[in-house]
Amino acid sequence: DAGVTQSPTHLIKTRGQQVTLRCSPISGHKSVSWYQQVLGQGPQFIFQYYEKEERGRGNFPDRFSARQFPNYSSELNVNALLLGDSALYLCASSLSPRGMIGSQHFGDGTRLSIL
Amino acid sequence: GQNIDQPTEMTATEGAIVQINCTYQTSGFNGLFWYQQHAGEAPTFLSYNVLDGLEEKGRFSSFLSRSKGYSYLLLKELQMKDSASYLCAVRDPAGGGNKLTFGTGTQLKVEL
Repeated sequence: DAGVTQSPTHLIKTRGQQVTLRCSPISGHKSVSWYQQVLGQGPQFIFQYYEKEERGRGNFPDRFSARQFPNYSSELNVNALLLGDSALYLCASSLSPRGMIGSQHFGDGTRLSIL
Repeated sequence: GQNIDQPTEMTATEGAIVQINCTYQTSGFNGLFWYQQHAGEAPTFLSYNVLDGLEEKGRFSSFLSRSKGYSYLLLKELQMKDSASYLCAVRDPAGGGNKLTFGTGTQLKVEL
């Protein structure tokens, strides 16, 4: 069974540019969450979507946006990139937001480097 | 606010037992998760506790005390492949969602 897939694997951008990261959840999973992980730190919550509706937003600026499509895949967009946006961006999917079935399964992430 | 504390680093010997502690102070609580993350890889789910007590799963066990805001992950019969970062995360039910707040992770080194 395919796990959570993210693309691209690696990306290099320059300051001020815009980037779109993509995520396909495990088949049957309707909840997708995005996290930013800076080296040496735990993942930081950015967004959660369930059934195509935003269910949560972390403490990130408006430069970060996301959406979920009818097939439950998701995109994370970051505008006006800053050096501090360099990080591993993780997507996680779960069957639902609640209970044990809410345990999230992570993709391998997109490593974004800003020059 | 959300605050999750766990030791930064731990070292243990192959075949031994190690306990990784996690304390939390969060505005909401709907479960505590432990994840394992090898360098350069995605976090993988290890365990979930929502009620007080011990959950056992093979070589891994996790304990939760909600009144104390405390959890631990117990790893038995340590193997070299257990060298990884172990992440404690609390789920916040606000908004009916599935937001996880992670600690900074405990880097475990297993030595011969």
